[in-house]
Amino acid sequence: GAVVSQHPSWVICKSGTSVKIECRSLDFQATTMFWYRQFPKQSLMLMATSNEGSKATYEQGVEKDKFLINHASLTLSTLTVTSAHPEDSSFYICSARPGTSGDNEQFFGPGTRLTVL
Amino acid sequence: GNSVTQMEGPVTLSEEAFLTINCTYTATGYPSLFWYVQYPGEGLQLLLKATKADDKGSNKGFEATYRKETTSFHLEKGSVQVSDSAVYFCALTQWGKLTFGTGTQLKVEL
Repeated sequence: GAVVSQHPSWVICKSGTSVKIECRSLDFQATTMFWYRQFPKQSLMLMATSNEGSKATYEQGVEKDKFLINHASLTLSTLTVTSAHPEDSSFYICSARPGTSGDNEQFFGPGTRLTVL
Repeated sequence: GNSVTQMEGPVTLSEEAFLTINCTYTATGYPSLFWYVQYPGEGLQLLLKATKADDKGSNKGFEATYRKETTSFHLEKGSVQVSDSAVYFCALTQWGKLTFGTGTQLKVEL
């Protein structure tokens, strides 16, 4: 089946630094990629949707200057948490969707655990 | 907006027991419904789906029926195995976006 990887799987950083998380579709081209955030014992919350070659669309309440998303190729999207603070500590999950139909299945990465000290 | 509510866990069962995880949703129109499973250390995987009322999704012995009248999509399995231990997420999709429930952890013991 389709495989999506994320790197790193976990990261610890100091408050005020920036952290970049990569999401790659390994065996298919992903026209659209999604970034989610998951808090303990809570559901995945969609942060933003990115289409290759265009600006990401952020969900209400998500700071686009805080969470920079780049989808420069059909196999790679990056999420950069800028000037991270302890409240940004969370589990970040990406997914990738092939093709152009909104009904196509999303394939999920294993997630990245971010801890900000 | 859309929302999905599923039973809280953890659910602990003995091997070969019957499993039900309840899921209800709120949405306008006719969303597609999904169950995803997340095994330890892995990403979410699509377990089954149903795209219209009365459809039954099934996979690996799991089943769920799209009930429009009760806005429900309960997950069932007749005989669980230890290898079914995972977190199960109910979700719906509309306009290309997924909305998830909070997840239910299932632990199956020998």
